[in-house]
Amino acid sequence: GAVVSQHPSWVICKSGTSVKIECRSLDFQATTMFWYRQFPKQSLMLMATSNEGSKATYEQGVEKDKFLINHASLTLSTLTVTSAHPEDSSFYICSARLAGKPQDTQYFGPGTRLTVL
Amino acid sequence: RKEVEQDPGPFNVPEGATVAFNCTYSNSASQSFFWYRQDCRKEPKLLMSVYSSGNEDGRFTAQLNRASQYISLLIRDSKLSDSATYLCVVNSDDYKLSFGAGTTVTVRA
Repeated sequence: GAVVSQHPSWVICKSGTSVKIECRSLDFQATTMFWYRQFPKQSLMLMATSNEGSKATYEQGVEKDKFLINHASLTLSTLTVTSAHPEDSSFYICSARLAGKPQDTQYFGPGTRLTVL
Repeated sequence: RKEVEQDPGPFNVPEGATVAFNCTYSNSASQSFFWYRQDCRKEPKLLMSVYSSGNEDGRFTAQLNRASQYISLLIRDSKLSDSATYLCVVNSDDYKLSFGAGTTVTVRA
């Protein structure tokens, strides 16, 4: 149980285009989802916390107008990288928190590797 | 200062060896501690939680020292399949997790 999927698993796009990444909890409802970014040989950095039905909470230094997050249902959160640039190339990972579990129990998706040319 | 700091390694060890490494965390109010394993180009996967009294899961032993704010992981009888990056993870605020950059372990035949 507690499976989280992401789509796409990898994407290559041209500079200036927008890319949408989906994060789904397959067998549970997730009131809270998290979006992380990981650059090579660096730690996962939390970008934002996404709560179903409300606006996402962004971490300091993360541009909310560039990284649009929508959490329209209890099983789906999307991250849209708008006007992507090469420096946005990274590994984007979502996680979902399962209601009823300890607050710090997160289940991770397989990640999306974004390459901006 | 980073919230969680780890020795990046790499630790290169032969099969059957014991390898141990630590991480330190800066937030003394942290309540939950974990070790995750991350394989190359994959998502992190929970290896084990770390409890105050220390805990063991098979060949893996984790210790927590709250006074010194460090966490350790020891792997006994290393297997080739233990080769991975081990992430030290601490809850920093409510339900947010802070990740270390990872310690790379390579087990050779």
